[in-house]
Amino acid sequence: QSVLTQPPSVSGAPGQRVTISCTGSRSNIGAGYDAHWYQQLPGTAPKLLIYGSNNRPSGVPDRFSGSKSGTSASLAITGLQAEDEADYFCQAYDTTLSGAVFGGGTKLTVL
Amino acid sequence: QVQLQESGPGLVKPSQTLSLTCAVSGGSINSGDSYWTWIRQTPGKGLEWIGYIYYSGSTYYNPSLKSRLSLQVDASKNQFSLKLRSVTAEDTAVYYCARGRSDYSYYMVDWGSGLTVTVSS
Repeated sequence: QSVLTQPPSVSGAPGQRVTISCTGSRSNIGAGYDAHWYQQLPGTAPKLLIYGSNNRPSGVPDRFSGSKSGTSASLAITGLQAEDEADYFCQAYDTTLSGAVFGGGTKLTVL
Repeated sequence: QVQLQESGPGLVKPSQTLSLTCAVSGGSINSGDSYWTWIRQTPGKGLEWIGYIYYSGSTYYNPSLKSRLSLQVDASKNQFSLKLRSVTAEDTAVYYCARGRSDYSYYMVDWGSGLTVTVSS
């Protein structure tokens, strides 16, 4: 069981908007620590998508956005494209571990 | 952007020591804003944070691995390394090295491509 909880899968048609939730606890997101998001395409390493809950590294399209509230965070993807089909992971710092904790990952299928 | 590349054996026997190295290019391992991190991934347990080492040598380890784990930095070669003792089949995973930052709590900016390690006799 992962410390952060994500839905196993989400899906959407091209052009649609999808959101992926990430539920934590008072020792990580709820303690005020930022959530971060990674995209993992099949057979590749995770890639930073969102940091600091709602910041995009250069090169990441503005179709991707993040938010945080209480003990949870969310990733929103608008204008879905076939190339967005991937696994998405959330991550946060955890005071119990004194390190990084991850969500179990959400597989996005573009219909 | 910093590039990272893992190297090491793809097969390790049970009870032996797993040794991996991460070569850093495009940046200095002595950078004070970087936390040199190891993460592993399995289909069953997902992504698991192993630990990180700072350029000064200070380390933070996952408590579940702490008794078997050692991370080191070699500034002369611009690389850092992992040693995990007494491995079992549970240590079979894809191992990633990554560059962490802490300006927005702790997150991984750059990742290596990953190295598959199998523990088997």
